[in-house]
Amino acid sequence: NAGVTQTPKFQVLKTGQSMTLQCAQDMNHEYMSWYRQDPGMGLRLIHYSVGAGITDQGEVPNGYNVSRSTTEDFPLRLLSAAPSQTSVYFCASSPSGGAIDTQYFGPGTRLTVL
Amino acid sequence: GDSVTQMEGPVTLSEEAFLTINCTYTATGYPSLFWYVQYPGEGLQLLLKATKADDKGSNKGFEATYRKETTSFHLEKGSVQVSDSAVYFCALSPRGNDYKLSFGAGTTVTVRA
Repeated sequence: NAGVTQTPKFQVLKTGQSMTLQCAQDMNHEYMSWYRQDPGMGLRLIHYSVGAGITDQGEVPNGYNVSRSTTEDFPLRLLSAAPSQTSVYFCASSPSGGAIDTQYFGPGTRLTVL
Repeated sequence: GDSVTQMEGPVTLSEEAFLTINCTYTATGYPSLFWYVQYPGEGLQLLLKATKADDKGSNKGFEATYRKETTSFHLEKGSVQVSDSAVYFCALSPRGNDYKLSFGAGTTVTVRA
């Protein structure tokens, strides 16, 4: 199993550009989520999904969209990037049952918005 | 709302030293508690967890006990190694809302040979 994979690893955008961060898992996990990691603030939940076709907002959803058309994929879209979205983004997955199950994290995408 | 506070770093230790990272939480009811570790250049990995009061989580020589009376979940290891150098995150999951994790700010630990 590849586990949780994320692409790209690094990305530089200009303000106003759009892009999609990709996340895929091959463990047949129902639950997937996106976090952003900022210095001194730990990880903050952006959006999460409890299964295909179901998504919900986390702590900091503004400026981000998600969809879950398949169990395997959970892309994160930035429609109009802003410097405040400069961060490291982590995707995670876990079996159905929620956060008390072990969450498996991807290696992260480092995004810089100029 | 629910929150986690952990000791600020960075922490620098010599090999075989004793490590403690303090973590306290604020939550309604009885959350589940976790310690995650992030090695350089990698994503987070679950280190240990406890789901009810007085539970002790342990893994790789690390331990943490869920203390409801002090709302704490301090991480300890008796003899650290260079390979323990990483960022450690304390986190909680609210009871009844298991899909959400709230993380502390993280503590950077560096172990010198």
